Amino acid sequence: DAKTTQPPSMDCAEGRAANLPCNHSTISGNEYVYWYRQIHSQGPQYIIHGLKNNETNEMASLIITEDRKSSTLILPHATLRDTAVYYCIVRAIKAAGNKLTFGGGTRVLVKP
Amino acid sequence: DAGVIQSPRHEVTEMGQEVTLRCKPISGHNSLFWYRQTMMRGLELLIYFNNNVPIDDSGMPEDRFSAKMPNASFSTLKIQPSEPRDSAVYFCASSTLAGGNNEQFFGPGTRLTVL
Repeated sequence: DAKTTQPPSMDCAEGRAANLPCNHSTISGNEYVYWYRQIHSQGPQYIIHGLKNNETNEMASLIITEDRKSSTLILPHATLRDTAVYYCIVRAIKAAGNKLTFGGGTRVLVKP
Repeated sequence: DAGVIQSPRHEVTEMGQEVTLRCKPISGHNSLFWYRQTMMRGLELLIYFNNNVPIDDSGMPEDRFSAKMPNASFSTLKIQPSEPRDSAVYFCASSTLAGGNNEQFFGPGTRLTVL
């Protein structure tokens, strides 16, 4: 699976949009971009995933560049409860399994 | 659904003792994953099962670690003998296998401290 690069940390103001970047320049055509987050002392939680089209759900939006070498996770109105480590993961869909390889992630601190 | 259930939530033991961590996946899920998380190494996949069969155990650190999945609703991760460097939070996760675009649901984790 392709490697991802994320900033180690970022701050965000409560109520503002949080834009979390991720670089995955070696992504292959059959690899998806997944985002998970881990709130302190909890297990990781799935947020969203996409292949090449932009995606939106109740939690966030995912914007993938046309060349698919980078993406941005957008939390539209950050709340204090969004403080967490956010992981960008690139994974191919394989019939034999669907394991995730976590990197260092971005530690997001939402400030009042 | 109660989600992925792990027990115990906390375990403190002495070096050399056997430790068994337990996991009950979400009903209907046929993939199960064991992860370990430490400050130094982050979140690492140890082993995963599909339909109760171990598929990839390349992340298991050494022979002291073993994992079993005797049926679709139960898995164990055993460390024997335990060492202080095994201290970590161990997460179990489950997912469906069919379809491919399947999210993993994580349990609350077991915080293991080996003295």
